[in-house]
Amino acid sequence: NAGVTQTPKFQVLKTGQSMTLQCAQDMNHEYMSWYRQDPGMGLRLIHYSVGAGITDQGEVPNGYNVSRSTTEDFPLRLLSAAPSQTSVYFCASSYEGQNTEAFFGQGTRLTVV
Amino acid sequence: KQEVTQIPAALSVPEGENLVLNCSFTDSAIYNLQWFRQDPGKGLTSLLLIQSSQREQTSGRLNASLDKSSGRSTLYIAASQPGDSATYLCAVNSYGYNYGQNFVFGPGTRLSVLP
Repeated sequence: NAGVTQTPKFQVLKTGQSMTLQCAQDMNHEYMSWYRQDPGMGLRLIHYSVGAGITDQGEVPNGYNVSRSTTEDFPLRLLSAAPSQTSVYFCASSYEGQNTEAFFGQGTRLTVV
Repeated sequence: KQEVTQIPAALSVPEGENLVLNCSFTDSAIYNLQWFRQDPGKGLTSLLLIQSSQREQTSGRLNASLDKSSGRSTLYIAASQPGDSATYLCAVNSYGYNYGQNFVFGPGTRLSVLP
């Protein structure tokens, strides 16, 4: 049981490049989400999904796109990377409901130069 | 808007000490509060989940309390060990989202337990 798997673990981009951060879970969780973590700040919610075909914005969605075509996968796309998007990105999943345990991936450390 | 703070930002203690980490939140309209552990370069591991109707939860040497009316939670670690060294994050799942677990996180407390 792999849990939540994120790829890649590290990535360096040039300003203006695009890329997709991958997230996959094998627990049949309905709910998936993306957070970014910056030094001195808590994790902040970017986008989330309550099931295949359903996504919504979190606190800091600008510059990011998501889609959810399957229950297992929830990729995060950076359309035109900016230095302000340098951060560590975490994907999380849980069963639907307000009081279920959340599982996090290992994170992707992204640097935009 | 929900805001979560954690005190202290960093803590260094000798092995064997009992310690308390503090978390405060501004809006009491929450579903639950969770404590997570984060090791350097790793993801987050859920330690304890306290539902809004509960006062505390225990797991081994960990005990978390919740006072929703005052907007506070504490994580108590008994008989600390070097293996407890990590960053501890408090996260609140607030009203305002219709589904699932949308957390507002605190900045964390970095704990070092010295042998």
